[in-house]
Amino acid sequence: NAGVTQTPKFQVLKTGQSMTLQCAQDMNHEYMSWYRQDPGMGLRLIHYSVGAGITDQGEVPNGYNVSRSTTEDFPLRLLSAAPSQTSVYFCASSYAGPYEQYFGPGTRLTVT
Amino acid sequence: AQSVAQPEDQVNVAEGNPLTVKCTYSVSGNPYLFWYVQYPNRGLQFLLKYITGDNLVKGSYGFEAEFNKSQTSFHLKKPSALVSDSALYFCAVRDMPGSGNTPLVFGKGTRLSVIA
Repeated sequence: NAGVTQTPKFQVLKTGQSMTLQCAQDMNHEYMSWYRQDPGMGLRLIHYSVGAGITDQGEVPNGYNVSRSTTEDFPLRLLSAAPSQTSVYFCASSYAGPYEQYFGPGTRLTVT
Repeated sequence: AQSVAQPEDQVNVAEGNPLTVKCTYSVSGNPYLFWYVQYPNRGLQFLLKYITGDNLVKGSYGFEAEFNKSQTSFHLKKPSALVSDSALYFCAVRDMPGSGNTPLVFGKGTRLSVIA
């Protein structure tokens, strides 16, 4: 049981490049979400999904795309990276309802 | 939309003293409330949650939190702080208005520093 895994752990991009942050969970959780963490800003929700084929926007969705083709995977795509997207990204999952989320170890992204 | 406020960016407490980290929330329905802790360069770890029932909930590492509906608060407490409790603490809320799925929203975090 690996829990929530994220790859890569670190990434440096140039402005305008695209990439996908991977997130996978093996707990059969319906709910998955992506957050970004910036100093003094806490965790801000980017996108979330309540099940395969269903996604919705969070507080800061601009510049990011998601899809949920399987229960296990919830990749986050940066279409054209910008320096403002330099951050630490966390993926989390949980059962739907009053259940705590399990967090991945994070991806530290730097856009130059 | 639901929201969470953590009014203190930093809390300093001496080892052995009681600690409180404050959290207030705003929801349209019934709240599901959570506390998480983050140690340096780590992901978030779940501490405790309030769903329903007893207003005082107990969690990991000796932490507890008190739900106060009239004050819309969910403060985190510990009777005797340890240096190892020094970390970043996040309060989070999920609004349960009766239907639909709502996301978990976090506060900005409070840095707890326990001084030996």
